[in-house]
Amino acid sequence: GDSVTQMEGPVTLSEEAFLTINCTYTATGYPSLFWYVQYPGEGLQLLLKATKADDKGSNKGFEATYRKETTSFHLEKGSVQVSDSAVYFCALMSNAGKSTFGDGTTLTVKP
Amino acid sequence: GAGVSQSPSNKVTEKGKDVELRCDPISGHTALYWYRQSLGQGLEFLIYFQGNSAPDKSGLPSDRFSAERTGGSVSTLTIQRTQQEDSAVYLCASSLAPGHPYNEQFFGPGTRLTVL
Repeated sequence: GDSVTQMEGPVTLSEEAFLTINCTYTATGYPSLFWYVQYPGEGLQLLLKATKADDKGSNKGFEATYRKETTSFHLEKGSVQVSDSAVYFCALMSNAGKSTFGDGTTLTVKP
Repeated sequence: GAGVSQSPSNKVTEKGKDVELRCDPISGHTALYWYRQSLGQGLEFLIYFQGNSAPDKSGLPSDRFSAERTGGSVSTLTIQRTQQEDSAVYLCASSLAPGHPYNEQFFGPGTRLTVL
């Protein structure tokens, strides 16, 4: 079946540091890929998405590129802020509608 | 409202009782998903609906769990004879049809279930 494996946390960075959270997947066909974020005390919300190979999703300074050859969708940000502290989830959705999430990575950014 | 709503927001019950959780998806969203999020854990997929049909029930933990959706809209998740290990936040999400270019899921605020 489909699966998503993401970098284990927690991750602690200083403000303005570079962030990478790795995500790899296994799936049949051509799934859509997503990063969702859950800020403290808030619900899950979409951060960015990519629907086909080589697409780059971007939002709020975060980027991720759909790499079919390496089955990866790594999340990056060049300069993190304290307000980026949250739990980040990598997810895929198959063409049949089945959704699979990773276990989540907790990011803490210190001033 | 424009978002996914869930009720109740909190539910405390005694072991062995049945509970029913409700989800109102965004109008026009044909797909609806139920997840469970235990403390400090990721999202555990339970079931999803396309319209009123559930193509994939593989995530339901046991036969005590069931879900239905009527009219392609509201869904209820029922847990019978609750156990303490059922304590978690139950999340509902909805999306446009699979394969649609804008098929991201919109999540509700969740129902926090505590089984004493």
